[in-house]
Amino acid sequence: NAGVTQTPKFQVLKTGQSMTLQCAQDMNHNSMYWYRQDPGMGLRLIYYSASEGTTDKGEVPNGYNVSRLNKREFSLRLESAAPSQTSVYFCASSEVGETQYFGPGTRLLVL
Amino acid sequence: GEDVEQSLFLSVREGDSSVINCTYTDSSSTYLYWYKQEPGAGLQLLTYIFSNMDMKQDQRLTVLLNKKDKHLSLRIADTQTGDSAIYFCAEDYNQGGKLIFGQGTELSVKP
Repeated sequence: NAGVTQTPKFQVLKTGQSMTLQCAQDMNHNSMYWYRQDPGMGLRLIYYSASEGTTDKGEVPNGYNVSRLNKREFSLRLESAAPSQTSVYFCASSEVGETQYFGPGTRLLVL
Repeated sequence: GEDVEQSLFLSVREGDSSVINCTYTDSSSTYLYWYKQEPGAGLQLLTYIFSNMDMKQDQRLTVLLNKKDKHLSLRIADTQTGDSAIYFCAEDYNQGGKLIFGQGTELSVKP
């Protein structure tokens, strides 16, 4: 039982490049989330998916897209990366309204 | 808007008690959470408290909730060097499973 896994662990991009961050959970949770963590700002919600087939914007969705591929997987895509998107990205999963469990994070540097 | 505030730093000596404070704004929150983040790692759920409780104790951890003042605290008894980490409080905004995080309090434990 791996919990929440994320790939890659680290990534360096040039401005304008695109990439997809992958997240998978094996806890059969309905809800999945993407957060970014910036120094001094805590975690901010980018997008979430309350259940398979649905996605909704969070606090900071601009510049990102998401896909809930199936119940297990929730990906985050940066179509044209910008230096302001340099951050640590965390995926989480939960049952609706229940405790969220976090993955180990993806550290992204955009040059 | 919704906001969760924490002080940024706390330094204590090994064996002392640590108290980390948090204020929040959403009076309809059902659960309030404390997460721990060690360097380079994801967030680990430490404990949580249901909004109709005043106190919850779990081994060395004591959570106090003052709903009137919207104030949450985490007390760590007999603090150890392994407790050095960043501690985040979070509220479930509008009971919809979306968490609002504080900025995090960096706890430094000196031998």
